[in-house]
Amino acid sequence: NAGVTQTPKFRVLKTGQSMTLLCAQDMNHEYMYWYRQDPGMGLRLIHYSVGEGTTAKGEVPDGYNVSRLKKQNFLLGLESAAPSQTSVYFCASSFRQATDTQYFGPGTRLTVL
Amino acid sequence: GQQLNQSPQSMFIQEGEDVSMNCTSSSIFNTWLWYKQEPGEGPVLLIALYKAGELTSNGRLTAQFGITRKDSFLNISASIPSDVGIYFCAGQPYLRNTPLVFGKGTRLSVIA
Repeated sequence: NAGVTQTPKFRVLKTGQSMTLLCAQDMNHEYMYWYRQDPGMGLRLIHYSVGEGTTAKGEVPDGYNVSRLKKQNFLLGLESAAPSQTSVYFCASSFRQATDTQYFGPGTRLTVL
Repeated sequence: GQQLNQSPQSMFIQEGEDVSMNCTSSSIFNTWLWYKQEPGEGPVLLIALYKAGELTSNGRLTAQFGITRKDSFLNISASIPSDVGIYFCAGQPYLRNTPLVFGKGTRLSVIA
């Protein structure tokens, strides 16, 4: 039981490049989330999903897209990376409702040059 | 949107001291959660509070859900070096099935 895993752990991109971050959970959770963490800003919700095939916008969705084709996976895409997207990205999942405990992955550190 | 004001932003304390941090909001929350993030890791849940006035302990940690439902505090007693990290409060807004709102965190440093 690995919990929540994220790949890759680190990535450096040039401005304008695209990439996809993968989040996987093996706990059969319905809800999944993508956050970004910047110094002094805490955790800000980018997008989330309340079940397979569904996605919703969070607090800072611009410049990102997501997909939840399988219940266990939640993908975060950057179509055209910008330096402002340099951040640490965390994926999380919870069992059912938003009040259930969120389990976080180890994070992906992304640098956009 | 709803915001949580978490204070202090950072703390430097001596080993053995007690620590207190809190979160406040102008909005009502149904649930308060406290997470700890260690360097290079994702946040981990410490304590969850579900009812106004609830006081819950987890070892040396104690947290309370404020009576007004607009605040919560976390206390750490007799701090040790491994308490170092960033502590986040999170609240479940009154509207059900809306995502958690996180505070900006309190960075705790413990001097041995």
